[in-house]
Amino acid sequence: EIVMTQSPATLSVSPGERATLSCRASQSVNSNLAWFQQKPGQAPRLLIYGASTRATGIPARFSGSASGTEFTLTISSLQSEDFAVYYCQQYNNWPRTFGQGTKVEIK
Amino acid sequence: QVQLVESGGGVVQPGRSLRLSCAASGFTFSSSSIQWVRQAPGKGLEWVAVISYDGSNKYYADSVKGRFTISRDNSKNTVYVQMDSLRAEDTAVYYCARGWSFLDYWGQGTLVTVSS
Repeated sequence: EIVMTQSPATLSVSPGERATLSCRASQSVNSNLAWFQQKPGQAPRLLIYGASTRATGIPARFSGSASGTEFTLTISSLQSEDFAVYYCQQYNNWPRTFGQGTKVEIK
Repeated sequence: QVQLVESGGGVVQPGRSLRLSCAASGFTFSSSSIQWVRQAPGKGLEWVAVISYDGSNKYYADSVKGRFTISRDNSKNTVYVQMDSLRAEDTAVYYCARGWSFLDYWGQGTLVTVSS
């Protein structure tokens, strides 16, 4: 099973600032990496797939990148609606696996 | 618009069974794979199972293998997960989502509580 490790567990950021979230895979997942946003009481929402492709309707302030087994989600200028928990997931192998999540909170 | 609606959750005793349903609309269901993902209270996301568009391919998480069975009825646009021998650690919100690779649409989830 591929282990996905996210860091940090919690990120405190002021509105308007940049947020950088990391996700590391225990082995190659190629570019088969997705990022999800989840707010309290809601289902996850797809943000990024293919490591760097924004899903339909996702604002351009969200971007994804990859370097080997290291993946990054960047939110260029945090808006109030962006404070949430973010998960990465690999879909290269079965079983699919998620990272443990990064909570982005207001500083 | 794409819609996935889960149902069938509730409170069940350990060792008993429950069947969840995922009703789909707004897209070509018979061409789409469906996955189940669960989230224990206050915890992260855990992938559970997948069924291919025609039901010919299925995969399960080790934690549910041999106890959960995923199936689909394309005439009813519905995917099911039969959950047997339920344990306390199966307590979670269960989401269904569309996709074989990345999951682009999710339902709102149904809560399963396993407790005596």
